[in-house]
Amino acid sequence: QVQLQESGPGLVKPSQTLSLTCTVSGGSISSGSYYWSWIRQPAGKGLEWIGRIYTSGSTNYNPSLKSRVTISVDTSKNQFSLKLSSVTAADTAVYYCARLTVTEGYFDYWGQGTLVTVSS
Amino acid sequence: QSALTQPASVSGSPGQSITISCTGTSSDVGGYNYVSWYQQHPGKAPKLMIYEVSNRPSGVPDRFSGSKSGNTASLTISGLQAEDEADYYCSSYTSSSVWVFGGGTKLTVL
Repeated sequence: QVQLQESGPGLVKPSQTLSLTCTVSGGSISSGSYYWSWIRQPAGKGLEWIGRIYTSGSTNYNPSLKSRVTISVDTSKNQFSLKLSSVTAADTAVYYCARLTVTEGYFDYWGQGTLVTVSS
Repeated sequence: QSALTQPASVSGSPGQSITISCTGTSSDVGGYNYVSWYQQHPGKAPKLMIYEVSNRPSGVPDRFSGSKSGNTASLTISGLQAEDEADYYCSSYTSSSVWVFGGGTKLTVL
């Protein structure tokens, strides 16, 4: 059974960089059948797709966040990571990592989510 | 990329059927069959309910079904049960090679 687990600081100061890591277990992040994605959800609001990475390192980002987002992969640790720079209070949200199928385009496994609050 | 349009809320009584719509454009919902639906209970991660417009993953009851016409996809839940009360989100692949979600629909089982 594939499991994903987010980790990282729960509190980030405004203008700093938010950094999260997703650890994948029960399957290899190097599988060519999947992308690895980040999605966020502000309290009481809907889901927002942040971006995705393939095992090769190729990425796609939400155009609204593209200038501030970097997603990277570490196949040796079976992990992928999110960096979001110049954060503001509007970036306060629950951040989820998820597995995205390459051929059918759906998110089949999700992490439990981690709350990141941007505040001084 | 704009979010897909869903009704903010729908409701139904146990045993009834409800349908949630998800409207996009020819650049997303209308252009691809990569439409999926997710159920989210409070405080929980979303759960895949429908993929590729109308396919159900193993373990999802056949009370859940999906369809698409033009730029609008739909999720139908028949024989409503109390445990179906949750938020539902649609998602689609887009011509910009990115994914977009709907704004979400709160389902209330009366």
